[in-house]
Amino acid sequence: DTAVSQTPKYLVTQMGNDKSIKCEQNLGHDTMYWYKQDSKKFLKIMFSYNNKELIINETVPNRFSPKSPDKAHLNLHINSLELGDSAVYFCASSQQLPGLATRNEQFFGPGTRLTVL
Amino acid sequence: QKEVEQNSGPLSVPEGAIASLNCTYSDRGSQSFFWYRQYSGKSPELIMFIYSNGDKEDGRFTAQLNKASQYVSLLIRDSQPSDSATYLCAVIRYGNNRLAFGKGNQVVVIP
Repeated sequence: DTAVSQTPKYLVTQMGNDKSIKCEQNLGHDTMYWYKQDSKKFLKIMFSYNNKELIINETVPNRFSPKSPDKAHLNLHINSLELGDSAVYFCASSQQLPGLATRNEQFFGPGTRLTVL
Repeated sequence: QKEVEQNSGPLSVPEGAIASLNCTYSDRGSQSFFWYRQYSGKSPELIMFIYSNGDKEDGRFTAQLNKASQYVSLLIRDSQPSDSATYLCAVIRYGNNRLAFGKGNQVVVIP
């Protein structure tokens, strides 16, 4: 069974459209994240949730809205897509918040490659 | 100053040699340090973590941490073509809720 899954794997869309990416983890973890990895491979945190509560919102435009219906799911909705949103978006999860344990491994989903035309 | 810096460009090593990667961090309060490996088109996966000064070995990988100098390194011994990937350094401070990543170093092992 896949630990962290994301759908879709690829997303090609026009500027101005609205799209969603879904993420699910079956590890029983409390904390989930969204990361954006740009063309230069830099991995940057966007959001984190702990037990459905928003913990981090890292100066992301408010066109991006995460939603966590339960602690196993964290979805990302993007309104009015722009060219600069093209990137790979990774969902990840960890047992608890990063700063609470010495080792708190984050498990990453396979990524969603978003291309905005 | 970036939180986590990995400055060297792509690293090419012959098969069987040692690949050495360095990472420096700016927050002196950082407590745990991670190395993730990311194959092209795939997601990052954790290969090493370290939180005490000194060396930690796991198979062909050794992580080295020097908190006084604020650097952490990764050595890959007996490099194999399957080690060709991008290696991401990541750092966390206790009480901080965010794992800070470096931009990564690409390693190419030449058969």
